[in-house]
Amino acid sequence: EVQLVQSGAEVKKPGESLRISCKASGYTFISYWINWVRQVPGKGLEWMGRIDPGDSYTNYSPSFQGHVTISVDRSINTAYLQWDGLRSSDTAIYYCTRGQLLSDFWGQGTLVTVPS
Amino acid sequence: EIVMTQSPATLSVSPGERATLSCRASQNININLAWYQQKPGQAPRLLISDASTRATGVPARFSGSGSGTEFTLTISSLQSEDFAFYYCQQYNIWPPWTFGQGTKVEIK
Repeated sequence: EVQLVQSGAEVKKPGESLRISCKASGYTFISYWINWVRQVPGKGLEWMGRIDPGDSYTNYSPSFQGHVTISVDRSINTAYLQWDGLRSSDTAIYYCTRGQLLSDFWGQGTLVTVPS
Repeated sequence: EIVMTQSPATLSVSPGERATLSCRASQNININLAWYQQKPGQAPRLLISDASTRATGVPARFSGSGSGTEFTLTISSLQSEDFAFYYCQQYNIWPPWTFGQGTKVEIK
């Protein structure tokens, strides 16, 4: 059974760093890209970027380029989304998904709260 | 960036009735369109890929159609579990993939 299990909710202050994780199981990790998708509470879905776990090649949406970093650790089948300077506008639920073009499996989401 | 526009924003439907949701792309995306369902407090779930192919386990009452710039998701007879948000997503030209803003299907 394919599963993407994300790390738990976080509350951080503006300017702090954060890394959230997404552990994959039930399939060959390097065979599918991992994407990150943001959902601001009560709003729609925004694709942030993706990584190819096979070679760690990344693409980012222009809206997120330079503000977040996506990485993987192939030894533990885990992908990461990282911020080096959080803003209050980063408050959202972040989903990792599996898929090269569309997202056929989704993690449960990680709520990140950055009070202003 | 391709802009995806969904309509209506909210659709009020009685159980057992038919629901028709629309998604329009700002340029030709061929059939490279997916539909997702999201229930409150849950992650989205893939319903349809390539504009009309149901994902594994998706009931036959869900159907997708369209190509180019105009797409439709039809739910033939709404069940209680179908009241949710629905999002379309294009994957023809990226980065970035882009989603529509969503349609809420609510009980009339």
